[in-house]
Amino acid sequence: ILNVEQSPQSLHVQEGDSTNFTCSFPSSNFYALHWYRWETAKSPEALFVMTLNGDEKKKGRISATLNTKEGYSYLYIKGSQPEDSATYLCALFGAGSYQLTFGKGTKLSVIP
Amino acid sequence: GAGVSQSPSNKVTEKGKDVELRCDPISGHTALYWYRQSLGQGLEFLIYFQGNSAPDKSGLPSDRFSAERTGGSVSTLTIQRTQQEDSAVYLCASSLFSDSNQPQHFGDGTRLSIL
Repeated sequence: ILNVEQSPQSLHVQEGDSTNFTCSFPSSNFYALHWYRWETAKSPEALFVMTLNGDEKKKGRISATLNTKEGYSYLYIKGSQPEDSATYLCALFGAGSYQLTFGKGTKLSVIP
Repeated sequence: GAGVSQSPSNKVTEKGKDVELRCDPISGHTALYWYRQSLGQGLEFLIYFQGNSAPDKSGLPSDRFSAERTGGSVSTLTIQRTQQEDSAVYLCASSLFSDSNQPQHFGDGTRLSIL
């Protein structure tokens, strides 16, 4: 069973602050790392799919990096806005598997 | 519609009853997944379909759970003799094909409450 850990579990930031959170996974069983954003009363939305060590992806004010050798990924949000409030999920696509194993998520609340 | 459609959006039923949850994936997507999120837990994989291949049922928690996908499109997840621990949000997702590079597209989910 793959173990995907996310930290922190939740955080509150002021509008305009930049923030980041972490996803840790077993580096020995890596195939791809997915990030999703899940807003309340909506469906999870794919942000990034990352496969290569050193990958960096960017979408507007949100970016992510990947280190497969040490088994972690960081998600950064620059200049947080209230609409960024959501739960951010990371998920591992493990070698030999056709399913995603999700972490429990980081719940972000941006205070106007 | 353009997205993954799930029905019903909410279901309340008594313990011991059977329930059926439906998922209509994005047209042309060959891979379909079911997940559930119980209170305080992360998304948990249940079952995966790829085209006409035999499904991967490794995540189903008990033999009370079953799923089928007809004609490679619509899928139904059935829970027999429901128990209170079955209460959760059940999410369906589809992707173009079952590759690690493919993002999964999720429906809005079915919130199942067992009384």
